[in-house]
Amino acid sequence: SQQGEEDPQALSIQEGENATMNCSYKTSINNLQWYRQNSGRGLVHLILIRSNEREKHSGRLRVTLDTSKKSSSLLITASRAADTASYFCATESNAGGTSYGKLTFGQGTILTVHP
Amino acid sequence: DAGITQSPRHKVTETGTPVTLRCHQTENHRYMYWYRQDPGHGLRLIHYSYGVKDTDKGEVSDGYSVSRSKTEDFLLTLESATSSQTSVYFCAIRRQGATGELFFGEGSRLTVL
Repeated sequence: SQQGEEDPQALSIQEGENATMNCSYKTSINNLQWYRQNSGRGLVHLILIRSNEREKHSGRLRVTLDTSKKSSSLLITASRAADTASYFCATESNAGGTSYGKLTFGQGTILTVHP
Repeated sequence: DAGITQSPRHKVTETGTPVTLRCHQTENHRYMYWYRQDPGHGLRLIHYSYGVKDTDKGEVSDGYSVSRSKTEDFLLTLESATSSQTSVYFCAIRRQGATGELFFGEGSRLTVL
């Protein structure tokens, strides 16, 4: 079963607009991460937020984490056509002993930014 | 670039044949992972390794085996490929001292006819 569920499944916006993607998860976590995947390529890490953090910024990215609701959001501000990609949340669980760094991924949000 | 190379990048095979995918890293990191990616399922963990000869099963390990005889190589084997194993396979590593992010290879697209 998937630890992370993301919504929306697809998002279409115009350049310059903000894009918000949401992720929910089920178990307690060490951290939550967001990855980007361009078509036909591998995943690229964007940002990591620890379970004791509530908000984190990196450039045009803003991530929030609400552990009481087991949810996170990724905001991309002032989007560009080059931001067109699939975005995945992933969680490192702290349930059941050593995690060995294993991540559980959501199904992803396909973001299309129109020029 | 985390120095991860997957081979082959594309393979078409027939049901019942054995297939081995190779993941090679150049940085001697301890943790390595095999994931598969399918539409509607995101990425799912197949097997992982936390050292030479130290491997364990992930979420979807049935029909797959792995081996890690050297730090730099992590092999994924489908002993008898089935059509349900048609997928894109990604290898990933976790760097020592990193906060937890994974670095992925470019993927191996496998089609089982």
